[in-house]
Amino acid sequence: DAKTTQPTSMDCAEGRAANLPCNHSTISGNEYVYWYRQIHSQGPQYIIHGLKNNETNEMASLIITEDRKSSTLILPHATLRDTAVYYCIVRPLRSNDYKLSFGAGTTVTVRA
Amino acid sequence: DGGITQSPKYLFRKEGQNVTLSCEQNLNHDAMYWYRQDPGQGLRLIYYSQIVNDFQKGDIAEGYSVSREKKESFPLTVTSAQKNPTAFYLCASSTNSDNEQFFGPGTRLTVL
Repeated sequence: DAKTTQPTSMDCAEGRAANLPCNHSTISGNEYVYWYRQIHSQGPQYIIHGLKNNETNEMASLIITEDRKSSTLILPHATLRDTAVYYCIVRPLRSNDYKLSFGAGTTVTVRA
Repeated sequence: DGGITQSPKYLFRKEGQNVTLSCEQNLNHDAMYWYRQDPGQGLRLIYYSQIVNDFQKGDIAEGYSVSREKKESFPLTVTSAQKNPTAFYLCASSTNSDNEQFFGPGTRLTVL
């Protein structure tokens, strides 16, 4: 049972911002939104996570709607090296269920 | 450098042979995980271990076995009972107080 829905793919121009949407309409009050990405043939890489406030780090920004039913990952200045599959995951921050449930994600292609 | 190593990157085996994939981490993480990824799919959890000498089955444990004799090592054995073993195998680790998982580079297993 998928907890998140993401577009299958999207293209982005190099140097422009990439906005990746994620719907999580059944999110629970104690669940965080996590984003990972996976560059081809490599292991996934953690990007960012948040509960209800917007978050920013050196890689990206995470904007979560007030009702927490959706979020957007923003890559402020996309580069060719940002081409990857991006996964949006919801789960409690601390839980006895340690599984990360990865869906199919969004395949992002950054074009020169 | 702290991190997770998996070896080898590519592995070929004949059908019917058991094969062991190695995973080592020097991050002092308590928890370790094994995931399987098939082409175009997300990750599926095989086994995980929250502490030395203890491990639990994930969603697709049949045909696999693990051991956790040392904190830094979590080898995965793909047995001949696994009907479709050709896949990309990913190992990850985390602290038990934070669900951010750090992934290794993966091992691509091909059974001929």
